Amino acid sequence: GQNIDQPTEMTATEGAIVQINCTYQTSGFNGLFWYQQHAGEAPTFLSYNVLDGLEEKGRFSSFLSRSKGYSYLLLKELQMKDSASYLCAVIRTDKLIFGTGTRLQVFP
Amino acid sequence: DTGVSQNPRHKITKRGQNVTFRCDPISEHNRLYWYRQTLGQGPEFLTYFQNEAQLEKSRLLSDRFSAERPKGSFSTLEIQRTEQGDSAMYLCASNTAQRGIKGEQFFGPGTRLTVL
Repeated sequence: GQNIDQPTEMTATEGAIVQINCTYQTSGFNGLFWYQQHAGEAPTFLSYNVLDGLEEKGRFSSFLSRSKGYSYLLLKELQMKDSASYLCAVIRTDKLIFGTGTRLQVFP
Repeated sequence: DTGVSQNPRHKITKRGQNVTFRCDPISEHNRLYWYRQTLGQGPEFLTYFQNEAQLEKSRLLSDRFSAERPKGSFSTLEIQRTEQGDSAMYLCASNTAQRGIKGEQFFGPGTRLTVL
């Protein structure tokens, strides 16, 4: 089976740093994705981790620990446009298994 | 436009009616996926195709749902005898199956279904 947990909501201030955690229990792990989704829009790809460690891409970084079944997405220098839902998803036999998503609100 | 497209973007129907949605994937992608997303939840896998072959269908998917990809390009998702619980955003995604590639899926804008 599979179980993916993320906090439901988070708030942060413009310019700050926020870390969104994701824990998972799943068989057949082939990698973990983070997607961003603005209200009413399609998810867009942010990052992919298949090996342990940190992947950095501009203001966004993602970390994976396979032994702990744990990942986080780190957003730096927050901007108002970063207000969105952030979806953690595990890839299993070619399909994505998503968590419920974390709704992030950035305040001025 | 080289992205995934879906039509219609919005559909309002009465309970008991049949509806059909269309997805056009990125042209060079041989895999196509359907997901359903309800408010406040992440997308839930429904089914996927490699070329014209339907490789997997979620066990949660009712027999009222059927999907096709007859020529290995666009796909249709049909829901028969719609119920209010079918109200959701239906997302389509595509990618290419290749060894060693991470398998990132590219999503379309979705079709929002409202069943009255």
